[in-house]
Amino acid sequence: DGGITQSPKYLFRKEGQNVTLSCEQNLNHDAMYWYRQDPGQGLRLIYYSQIVNDFQKGDIAEGYSVSREKKESFPLTVTSAQKNPTAFYLCASSIVPDHNEQFFGPGTRLTVL
Amino acid sequence: GQQLNQSPQSMFIQEGEDVSMNCTSSSIFNTWLWYKQDPGEGPVLLIALYKAGELTSNGRLTAQFGITRKDSFLNISASIPSDVGIYFCAGQRSDYKLSFGAGTTVTVRA
Repeated sequence: DGGITQSPKYLFRKEGQNVTLSCEQNLNHDAMYWYRQDPGQGLRLIYYSQIVNDFQKGDIAEGYSVSREKKESFPLTVTSAQKNPTAFYLCASSIVPDHNEQFFGPGTRLTVL
Repeated sequence: GQQLNQSPQSMFIQEGEDVSMNCTSSSIFNTWLWYKQDPGEGPVLLIALYKAGELTSNGRLTAQFGITRKDSFLNISASIPSDVGIYFCAGQRSDYKLSFGAGTTVTVRA
């Protein structure tokens, strides 16, 4: 089945540690996105990638980093510089960057202890 | 990035009722999307709207792209228990990125 997978589903980390969230898609989509979701708020864009080996900052990129070495993969690293990392993280993809319909993965809930 | 104003923030439904929610913005959008999210899961795309004035249905769901391009609404007819969840609107900005509303939480009335 084609789709987007994120792992792990739940992640716990201690303050001061970096942690990497996985996102893989087999939809052959060019564009991939990372969003952060907090209770009572809309999704906020962290980073996006329009094509392999290219990515741009979204609206709340501080304290995060990404890479796009393969079309299928777009991992997100939450660094110790992120002041409030506890949140639900969602990865999405679209066929091409200007295609309106983005499809989402199941999400990773990160909790900082 | 700008956020959309989505209302109501929450609503209670009784099986069989029709429900309605809407999104407004001070800016024009080229596309409106409506998503549904179940607890602990990713949003699922319900309806996409591409032209001002467009009215689109998907089963019991109907959505419209406002004439001014600054608003959209979603109707659910004859609601059923599995309609509970959080509904998000999203508008595509001129830079092709999406702005999201804060969501409407739909709960079944006891």
